[in-house]
Amino acid sequence: DTEVTQTPKHLVMGMTNKKSLKCEQHMGHRAMYWYKQKAKKPPELMFVYSYEKLSINESVPSRFSPECPNSSLLNLHLHALQPEDSALYLCASSHGGDQETQYFGPGTRLLVL
Amino acid sequence: AQRVTQPEKLLSVFKGAPVELKCNYSYSGSPELFWYVQYSRQRLQLLLRHISRESIKGFTADLNKGETSFHLKKPFAQEEDSAMYYCALIMGNTPLVFGKGTRLSVIA
Repeated sequence: DTEVTQTPKHLVMGMTNKKSLKCEQHMGHRAMYWYKQKAKKPPELMFVYSYEKLSINESVPSRFSPECPNSSLLNLHLHALQPEDSALYLCASSHGGDQETQYFGPGTRLLVL
Repeated sequence: AQRVTQPEKLLSVFKGAPVELKCNYSYSGSPELFWYVQYSRQRLQLLLRHISRESIKGFTADLNKGETSFHLKKPFAQEEDSAMYYCALIMGNTPLVFGKGTRLSVIA
């Protein structure tokens, strides 16, 4: 398996909902990332996990909560989001650390109503 | 401060014409530079990385440290090259930083 997979593909949620985004890779990569991408903009880094430990949090609001249960899985828990949080959320992974080529998932398109 | 600059938001070329997507960076050390491409309705994917010095889909990019540039070139554009192209940079221990992107449109 040489791909990063993300579920769900699409998600619509209200501002009081709690939901989770999931990311999975079976390439043996030890670094995983969450990005947020607004329309016609580049991806913006949110979080980096390196060897299952959170190594970078780019001042992301606490309504986004990442979790790395094991080296293959990465979750992003969402709670009390705002409409401006609507975006494409991308997961990526790299082999050994954040210095290497990143492989991206297809993204979860999130709409917050 | 903008570390990666892609001066063109949109670049339109005719099929068969040469194409050059510009990328300049701000970093005094030895950067690691990448070009990522995002085709319509597809995931963001690596096109090429400067240390590999490969040619992918006919594209090449040379790191010019004097001009702090990493322009992406292809001698003959194809319609399937139409996509969003992002130049990206790793500086020291910082994570990947993306430029704002250039949308390439190849006209038949």
